[in-house]
Amino acid sequence: KAGVTQTPRYLIKTRGQQVTLSCSPISGHRSVSWYQQTPGQGLQFLFEYFSETQRNKGNFPGRFSGRQFSNSRSEMNVSTLELGDSALYLCASGRMNTEAFFGQGTRLTVV
Amino acid sequence: DQQVKQNSPSLSVQEGRISILNCDYTNSMFDYFLWYKKYPAEGPTFLISISSIKDKNEDGRFTVFLNKSAKHLSLHIVPSQPGDSAVYFCAAIDRGSTLGRLYFGRGTQLTVWP
Repeated sequence: KAGVTQTPRYLIKTRGQQVTLSCSPISGHRSVSWYQQTPGQGLQFLFEYFSETQRNKGNFPGRFSGRQFSNSRSEMNVSTLELGDSALYLCASGRMNTEAFFGQGTRLTVV
Repeated sequence: DQQVKQNSPSLSVQEGRISILNCDYTNSMFDYFLWYKKYPAEGPTFLISISSIKDKNEDGRFTVFLNKSAKHLSLHIVPSQPGDSAVYFCAAIDRGSTLGRLYFGRGTQLTVWP
């Protein structure tokens, strides 16, 4: 069974640009969550989608947004990038309210 | 508001000995707990979980203990191996919630030395 796939693995963007990250969940999983990890920080929750609906959102500015498609694939978008947005972005999929399985992450560097 | 806390940022253990990683939580609605292991620049890997109806769950070298009255859980690794060196995250879920998220601690860096 294929795991969670995140693309791209690495990304370099310039301040002010926008970026879109993609996540394909494990087949059959309808819940997709996004997390940000920066050095010295734990896993900061961004948002969670279930059946194309955002059920929960973390404490991030409106520049961070996401969506989920009917096939459960999800994208997150960050607009007007700032240097502080440089981080490892992790996507996780699961069935409702149970363990989540993570992808390898997308390493975003903003210069 | 950190609802799941891992108060030890690091732990160093000799190979072959026991590693004990601790985790505390504040939300009494949490009823399912998980441990993840993470290597640098990779996604966390699910290790083991425990439901609040149990006080112990074992999987090979890994055992998780839950003390609901103290709102405390721990992960025991016996025997510890150098390949266990990683960051370990504790997480919790309120399975009755519609909000659908895991709450993570900040992690504990485990180093197993030969």
